[in-house]
Amino acid sequence: GESVGLHLPTLSVQEGDNSIINCAYSNSASDYFIWYKQESGKGPQFIIDIRSNMDKRQGQRVTVLLNKTVKHLSLQIAATQPGDSAVYFCAEASYGGSQGNLIFGKGTKLSVKP
Amino acid sequence: DSGVTQTPKHLITATGQRVTLRCSPRSGDLSVYWYQQSLDQGLQFLIQYYNGEERAKGNILERFSAQQFPDLHSELNLSSLELGDSALYFCASSASRATNEKLFFGSGTQLSVL
Repeated sequence: GESVGLHLPTLSVQEGDNSIINCAYSNSASDYFIWYKQESGKGPQFIIDIRSNMDKRQGQRVTVLLNKTVKHLSLQIAATQPGDSAVYFCAEASYGGSQGNLIFGKGTKLSVKP
Repeated sequence: DSGVTQTPKHLITATGQRVTLRCSPRSGDLSVYWYQQSLDQGLQFLIQYYNGEERAKGNILERFSAQQFPDLHSELNLSSLELGDSALYFCASSASRATNEKLFFGSGTQLSVL
C-alpha cells in the first residue's frame, strides 16, 4: 500500500537554530497533510496542517511547506528551543481514498542541544 | 492537556488474556479513534466510531474489538493476547465524522504482554 515516509529518522540541532524536518509521501491523491509532535510519555499533539491547494502555511514559529511536484512535505521550526525536543510525525489523508483516515509516517526525533 | 482521557495508563498482563482499554473523548467530540503505536510499525489506525456507530476500520485484528457507548466514551477490547500486542494504544477524538480531521490524542495506555 501507499505510505508516508521520512527522510531523516533523527535530527540534532543547537538551541536557537532553525530546524527542518522532512517527509515524503507517495499517494498523489492525498490532499491534506498534518504535522504532529509527540513528547515523551504523551500522545501526539497537533502542530499545523496544510491542504493541497496551498504550498506554504505559517504558524507560531512553525512553517509547513508542501511540494506536490515531488510529493514532499517539510516542517520548519524557527529558533528551536529545548521544549521542541520530541518526535515529529507527518500524516496524510485522502478525501476520496479507500482508507480515508490519517496515515502517519514513522517519525523523526528532534533533539535540541542547549 | 488534550481533553481526551485514557485509562489505565499502564497494563501488564499475560498471553492469552483479555483486556479492556477505556477512552473518554473531549467534551462535545462525537468521533473516537483508536491507534496502536509500536516501535516497528509506528502509529497504526485501528478503528473509528462516530456517535456510537463504526465509521472506519483500519488494520484491526479480529481478536480486537471496540465500541462507543451512548455517553460517547469508547472501549477497546483486546483478547487472546500475544506478545506482539505489546504496544502503546492511543485514543483520539474529533468533532466530526470526517476521518481526516485534526485529532486530539490522549496520553495512551501502555500494554505489556508477558
